[in-house]
Amino acid sequence: DTAVSQTPKYLVTQMGNDKSIKCEQNLGHDTMYWYKQDSKKFLKIMFSYNNKELIINETVPNRFSPKSPDKAHLNLHINSLELGDSAVYFCASSQSLGEQFFGPGTRLTVL
Amino acid sequence: GENVEQHPSTLSVQEGDSAVIKCTYSDSASNYFPWYKQELGKRPQLIIDIRSNVGEKKDQRIAVTLNKTAKHFSLHITETQPEDSAVYFCAATRDNYGQNFVFGPGTRLSVLP
Repeated sequence: DTAVSQTPKYLVTQMGNDKSIKCEQNLGHDTMYWYKQDSKKFLKIMFSYNNKELIINETVPNRFSPKSPDKAHLNLHINSLELGDSAVYFCASSQSLGEQFFGPGTRLTVL
Repeated sequence: GENVEQHPSTLSVQEGDSAVIKCTYSDSASNYFPWYKQELGKRPQLIIDIRSNVGEKKDQRIAVTLNKTAKHFSLHITETQPEDSAVYFCAATRDNYGQNFVFGPGTRLSVLP
């Protein structure tokens, strides 16, 4: 059974488009996250979401918006994509302050 | 906010030798310090973590030490094997739900056979 899954695995799109990445966890965790990993492998937290409380990293542009239809899902919507948005995006989940389980990642390429 | 530094950025060791990676953090209120391993093209995976009420933790060939006074923590890998080759990330946070989780920039470890 896949603990944390993401779709799609690869996403290639043009500048200016809007796209979404979906994330689901079947671990029953109460907290979910989105991370961006750039070409230099830096891992930066973008959002964390717990019990309907959203914590936003202040450096994240407001073109990025997380949407959580329920506790098991945290989707990432990106408006007006830019070249600099190209990266690998990881979803993760944890039970409170514990081990984070990462999804397989979505490699986004903006042309 | 929290700032995490990690050294070295790259590390090469001979198989069987030990490897040590060090991290420093800035927020004295941080209370949870995990280490993640990321193999090429794969997702990060937790290998060990430590909380601020503990000074050392060991799991087989891997150990982590924490010095709260100096605000640094280290990962120790003994008897390294080629499969230990990966990028290792340290992280720190002060929040109960992992908000404001800050990762170090990573250390690329190469274990040479």
